[in-house]
Order: sequence, then structure tokens, then C-alpha cells
Amino acid sequence: EVQLLESGGGLAQPGGSLRLSCVASEFTFTNYAMSWVRQAPGKGLEWVSGISGSGGTTYYADSVKGRLFISRDKSKNTLYLQMNSLRTEDTAVYYCAKDRRWLLLSGAFDIWGQGTTVTVSS
Amino acid sequence: DIQMTQSPSSLSASVGDRVTITCQASQDISNYLNWYQQKPGKAPKVLIYDASNLETGVPSRFSGSGSGTDFTFTISSLQPEDVATYYCQQYYNLPFTFGGGTKVEIK
Repeated sequence: EVQLLESGGGLAQPGGSLRLSCVASEFTFTNYAMSWVRQAPGKGLEWVSGISGSGGTTYYADSVKGRLFISRDKSKNTLYLQMNSLRTEDTAVYYCAKDRRWLLLSGAFDIWGQGTTVTVSS
Repeated sequence: DIQMTQSPSSLSASVGDRVTITCQASQDISNYLNWYQQKPGKAPKVLIYDASNLETGVPSRFSGSGSGTDFTFTISSLQPEDVATYYCQQYYNLPFTFGGGTKVEIK
């Protein structure tokens, strides 16, 4: 069964950093683009960042550009989100999501992880 | 950015009722649309992709239609396990954007 398992969430202070991880299993990781999507408490869904299957191309929402950085490690079948200069408005559940289509980021997500919670507070 | 306007924001219906949710895009998105179901404390689950294709394993009472700017999601016969929030999402352009959600409850 295709699975995504996130980890790394927790409490961080404003201005601090966290690194989220998403381990993929039961599919050829490098064949598919991946994304991070977040959901603030009681709110809707917001796409944050995406990366191509090769890792060579990355994309960001304007709200996180220059502060959050997506990457992937094919040897570990793992997607990352490095979160720097955290703000209170970054508080959310962060989900990783697999693209349905090969290699390029299409946004047609088919599999989501269970999410990891990030709280930014002093 | 493409704005996705979903309506209604909530609805209450009886078991067996037909339920319809609409999603309007601020510009033409062809058929680049997903519909998701999200239950409390859980991740979103894809029900419909490419506006009208049923995801594998999803019950046939769920369906989607539309193209361009106007889309419809239907539950043909509402079941107790369908209580959830439903979202549309466009993937025509970056940034990918979601509708505000429709909370479905049982009357």
C-alpha cells in the first residue's frame, strides 16, 4: 500500500526553525513530484511548496518564499521541508502529498500523509 | 492566483438524500479539479480527479461534473459515514488553490 508518513512537527518560537520529514513507501519515489500542504487550526487547505520527481525544480507559495525550503533525498525515499524564520501564522498541520502524474509537478494529488502539527508560539 | 468559490459552506441533509456542492473558479481551469473528503482529525482523501473521474475504491454514490469555471460534486444517496468537510482544488495553475470547504451533516 502506498504510504506517506510525516514527522518533525512540534513547538517552535517565532523566528525559530524546524525540519519536517515525509517518508514514502511502496512506490518509486523519484518518479513522482511531491508537495507540502498545510491547514491552520479550524481553517481550509493551503498549498505551500512542491518539488519535481528529480528534485531539480522547486515551487513555493508567496507566503513562504524565502523562509521555507523543500528538498528530497532519493536514497532515503524522504521529502523534507526546512522551515526558517517561523511566524505565528505558520501554525498548522502540515501534510505531504504525492502527485498522481509522472515527474513534473501537476498538483493532481492522489495520496496524502496523516500530517504533522507545527505550533509557533512564544 | 485562481480563486475557488465553494458553496454552500455547510449543509444538513437526511440519510438517503441527494447532496450537491458547487465550486466556481475565477478563471477557466479546464477539468483540472480534485474533490476531497476530510473527516475530523484526518487527512484529506481524494474522491474525484480531473473533475469527473472516480478515484479507485471510492463508492459510486460520489460523482463530479463540470469544466471551465463551474463544477458540481454530488452524493447521490447520503450515508452516515459521509459526514465530513468536502473541498475542491484546482491544479490548472500555480499556486494550487482550494475552495473554502463544505461541511456536510446529517439532519
